[in-house]
Amino acid sequence: GIQVEQSPPDLILQEGANSTLRCNFSDSVNNLQWFHQNPWGQLINLFYIPSGTKQNGRLSATTVATERYSLLYISSSQTTDSGVYFCAVNYAGKSTFGDGTTLTVKP
Amino acid sequence: NAGVMQNPRHLVRRRGQEARLRCSPMKGHSHVYWYRQLPEEGLKFMVYLQKENIIDESGMPKERFSAEFPKEGPSILRIQQVVRGDSAAYFCASSPRYSGRQETQYFGPGTRLLVL
Repeated sequence: GIQVEQSPPDLILQEGANSTLRCNFSDSVNNLQWFHQNPWGQLINLFYIPSGTKQNGRLSATTVATERYSLLYISSSQTTDSGVYFCAVNYAGKSTFGDGTTLTVKP
Repeated sequence: NAGVMQNPRHLVRRRGQEARLRCSPMKGHSHVYWYRQLPEEGLKFMVYLQKENIIDESGMPKERFSAEFPKEGPSILRIQQVVRGDSAAYFCASSPRYSGRQETQYFGPGTRLLVL
């Protein structure tokens, strides 16, 4: 099956700092999503981005499908950005999730 | 348009009991997916269903677990004779059609199962 690797596994930032999270995947996929799981366990869809670049406020994402990776950028981080960020790739109907990046933003 | 709904949000069972988790997809969505998240891990695919059909159950444990999506009503994930290792968060997602054709999967809030 498809392998999804996320890096770094853990990230600690001071409020206001910027960060880049990476997602590598092992094969061609139909689509890719980024999620934020907050400390209460709620899974929030951030981007659906099979290719190209999208921006939403302080967050943006870029997927280079031909090179099998995606990047999530967080600028001017806030304490509410803390949580686990998952990348999920979809092929043949089911999504395969990476193990996530745990982000802690300190005030 | 209400999102994907799951109930109960929290469920406590004793070993050997049965757990029934319900998922109501978004309006107009006919495809449902179940995922399990064990503590400190990512989400793992369990099963993909359309109305009255199981499309892919490659992630379902061979025993004690079953899923259905009847013509009327929510999708049900059923776990018989629960064990402590079944304690996890179970997420349901839905899409309007086959997600391989670049349709986003929309996730529910999850059901957190605790087996005592």
